[in-house]
Amino acid sequence: EVQLVESGGGLVQPGRSLKLSCLASGFTFSNYGMNWIRQAPGKGLEWVASISSSSSYIYYADTVKGRFTISRDNAKNTLYLQMTSLRSEDTALYYCARHRGVAPNWFAYWGQGTLVTVSS
Amino acid sequence: DIVLTQSPALAVSLEQRATISCKTSQNVDNYGISYMHWYQQKPGQQPKLLIYEGSNLASGIPARFSGSGSGTDFTLTIDPVEADDIATYYCQQSKDYPTFGGGTKLELK
Repeated sequence: EVQLVESGGGLVQPGRSLKLSCLASGFTFSNYGMNWIRQAPGKGLEWVASISSSSSYIYYADTVKGRFTISRDNAKNTLYLQMTSLRSEDTALYYCARHRGVAPNWFAYWGQGTLVTVSS
Repeated sequence: DIVLTQSPALAVSLEQRATISCKTSQNVDNYGISYMHWYQQKPGQQPKLLIYEGSNLASGIPARFSGSGSGTDFTLTIDPVEADDIATYYCQQSKDYPTFGGGTKLELK
C-alpha cells in the first residue's frame, strides 16, 4: 500500500525557516517524481514544487521561487521542503503527492498533510 | 499561468446527474491528450484522484464518475449522485506548471 507521511509542520514566526519531510513507503520511491501541494485554511489547492525521480528536474511555483527548496533522499525514501523567509500567506496544510514521469502531471497519491502556521 | 475557473457551488438531488464544469484560460490539449485531471476532497481529508487526462477513470473509482471535454472546456459528470459524493471537486491542468481550479462544492438540493 502506498503511504506518504508528512511531518515537520508547526508554528513559526514570519521571516523564519522550517523544513518539512515526507516519508514514503509501499512503492519504489526512486522511480517516481514527487511534489509539495498546499492548501490554505478554507481555500483551494496550490501546487508548490516538484522534483523528478533522480532530482534532475526541479520546478517551483512563482509564489515560492527563491524561498523554498525541494529535495529528496532516495536512500531514505524521503522528500523534503526547506522553507525560508516565511510569510503569513504561506500558512497552509502542506501535502506531499506522487506523480509519474519527469514533469508533474496528475497526482494519484497524497499524504495527510502537515500544517504550517506563520504568525508572530 | 493557466487559470482554471469553476463555479463555487452546485446543488443536486440524490440519484440525479451532476455536471461540474472547468474552463481554462489556455488550451490544455497537446497531441490528442487533454492535460486535465479531477479530484474529490471531503472535509478533513486529502484530495482523491478521480479522472486523469480528461477522461480516464483512476483506479478504484466507480463508473458513476466520468470526464469529458477538450481544449478549454471540461466537465466532470457524476451519474447518479450518491450521498457519499457530497464533497468539493477540483480540476487541475498539467499542460504547464500545475494549477488547480477554485473548487466546486457539491451540495444536496
